[in-house]
Amino acid sequence: GQSLEQPSEVTAVEGAIVQINCTYQTSGFYGLSWYQQHDGGAPTFLSYNALDGLEETGRFSSFLSRSDSYGYLLLQELQMKDSASYFCAVRAGGFKTIFGAGTRLFVKA
Amino acid sequence: DAGVIQSPRHEVTEMGQEVTLRCKPISGHNSLFWYRQTMMRGLELLIYFNNNVPIDDSGMPEDRFSAKMPNASFSTLKIQPSEPRDSAVYFCASSLVGGVNTEAFFGQGTRLTVV
Repeated sequence: GQSLEQPSEVTAVEGAIVQINCTYQTSGFYGLSWYQQHDGGAPTFLSYNALDGLEETGRFSSFLSRSDSYGYLLLQELQMKDSASYFCAVRAGGFKTIFGAGTRLFVKA
Repeated sequence: DAGVIQSPRHEVTEMGQEVTLRCKPISGHNSLFWYRQTMMRGLELLIYFNNNVPIDDSGMPEDRFSAKMPNASFSTLKIQPSEPRDSAVYFCASSLVGGVNTEAFFGQGTRLTVV
């Protein structure tokens, strides 16, 4: 089967750093993406890792370890507007993208 | 570009009725995806097309669901007959598959309620 595991909820304070982990088990693997979704909105793309290592985009960074089937999203200098759901997604065989169940991030003042 | 455009934004229908959801992908994108999102099941991939051809429809729940992509700028997802358990937000997404980056651009979704 195919599965992606990520925590259901994370709470952090404004200005802090938070890490959202994702482990996956899929029949094919081309890369790991992260998406953000605010309540009532559409998922929006944050990052994509095809190779091992850290990718940095502003306050957000994403890491991948293919040998461990593991990745994480790191959010720094948290802001209230970062409160949202964050999904990891695997680009599996045939360009199919499978999403995890999502992690709901609550940022407190 | 206006992004991925879906219509309608909201649909309320009675059980047994036919429902058609519409999607206009971003011009130049060669892949289109239909997803369904519910609290219980999260984001599920229903079907995806590459160059207007259905590649994988293994996520389509049953024969009541069908999807078409008659040309590069239009796709439909049809449910006939609809049932209350089909109530969900349906997203269409498009991307340009073939490069390193596989960013998918999502439409704003259609919130379907079947009563």
